[in-house]
Amino acid sequence: QKEVEQDPGPLSVPEGAIVSLNCTYSNSAFQYFMWYRQYSRKGPELLMYTYSSGNKEDGRFTAQVDKSSKYISLFIRDSQPSDSATYLCAMSALTDSWGKLQFGAGTQVVVTP
Amino acid sequence: NAGVTQTPKFQVLKTGQSMTLQCAQDMNHEYMSWYRQDPGMGLRLIHYSVGAGITDQGEVPNGYNVSRSTTEDFPLRLLSAAPSQTSVYFCASSSHLWGNTIYFGEGSWLTVV
Repeated sequence: QKEVEQDPGPLSVPEGAIVSLNCTYSNSAFQYFMWYRQYSRKGPELLMYTYSSGNKEDGRFTAQVDKSSKYISLFIRDSQPSDSATYLCAMSALTDSWGKLQFGAGTQVVVTP
Repeated sequence: NAGVTQTPKFQVLKTGQSMTLQCAQDMNHEYMSWYRQDPGMGLRLIHYSVGAGITDQGEVPNGYNVSRSTTEDFPLRLLSAAPSQTSVYFCASSSHLWGNTIYFGEGSWLTVV
């Protein structure tokens, strides 16, 4: 069983809708949680990171972490066609380095005009 | 500012051949990592380095070698290519400080026939 599970999608939404993405994990040592966006044939780029539990908001993006349920979420408000990409969750334990991450498989998101 | 530069972008190898994927960063980052990305598997860590002269294995190290003689460069060597090593390879770098962004290269597409 993978340490990080993520539904691969694809997830298709109309422009302006809220995109809801999530990951579950099994390792209770994970403390740092990240979301990456990856466009086709490009490298991942960091969208947001959170430490431990709680919410974090940045513009149209909101990240939530529920450590008691081992569940993290990313919400994208007012979605745009430019948000069409694969979204990867990633996480790491406090004892691991910032460069040693466990990734989910990624969810493909398609925002249709 | 070039960021993380990977070469080559595309490569076709025959089974049994060896080759080196190059990775260079110009941000003076301590941490550098190599990941491979396969459909449905997300990114998996191959090897990582926390500084010049220091390397360690990740989740899927078999068949790969690395060395870190300088802060800037972190080459990945395939010793005897196998079809199972057909994948997209990403190099990443980051500062050792938690909360700093991990920068990914554009990727190297490798096909082993």
